[in-house]
Amino acid sequence: DGGITQSPKYLFRKEGQNVTLSCEQNLNHDAMYWYRQDPGQGLRLIYYSQIVNDFQKGDIAEGYSVSREKKESFPLTVTSAQKNPTAFYLCASSLGPTQPQHFGDGTRLSIL
Amino acid sequence: DAKTTQPTSMDCAEGRAANLPCNHSTISGNEYVYWYRQIHSQGPQYIIHGLKNNETNEMASLIITEDRKSSTLILPHATLRDTAVYYCIVRALTDKLIFGTGTRLQVFP
Repeated sequence: DGGITQSPKYLFRKEGQNVTLSCEQNLNHDAMYWYRQDPGQGLRLIYYSQIVNDFQKGDIAEGYSVSREKKESFPLTVTSAQKNPTAFYLCASSLGPTQPQHFGDGTRLSIL
Repeated sequence: DAKTTQPTSMDCAEGRAANLPCNHSTISGNEYVYWYRQIHSQGPQYIIHGLKNNETNEMASLIITEDRKSSTLILPHATLRDTAVYYCIVRALTDKLIFGTGTRLQVFP
């Protein structure tokens, strides 16, 4: 089935470590997005990419980095510079910026 | 900032229609109304979107008032699996999605 796969579902990080969250889609979508969700809150945009080898910062990009080397993959690295990384991270994709976004099931990141 | 206002929570009996309201009084002419829902611990799911005409798909109907300042998402026969947080979002086609805190819909037997 076509869809968006995020892995792992749960991730633990030690303080000072970088960690990379995976997002893969087989929908042949051009655009991909990363969001962060804190308890009881809506989603906030971290980074987005409308095409391979190009990406833009969202509203809360500090402490995060991304790459878009392949159309189907958009990994997110949470760096040690992100002071409050504990959150639910969601990846999405769409055919283009005007099309509805389809989401993965998220990765829950916790700090040990 | 979210441009919509939704009730914090609503209840609906199983089998009945769930009508979820959304106010968007500052909507611009080029902005669409989108609805997503999020079941606990899952990613949001796209439901429907529209500009000014009413829309219907296999999941729901979207009714937009003539002045476009408010809309209603209708789930015609709610089931327990429709229990979720429902987000109403207004955006121009090239703008980013901005999620507020949504309406928590509880469907009860």
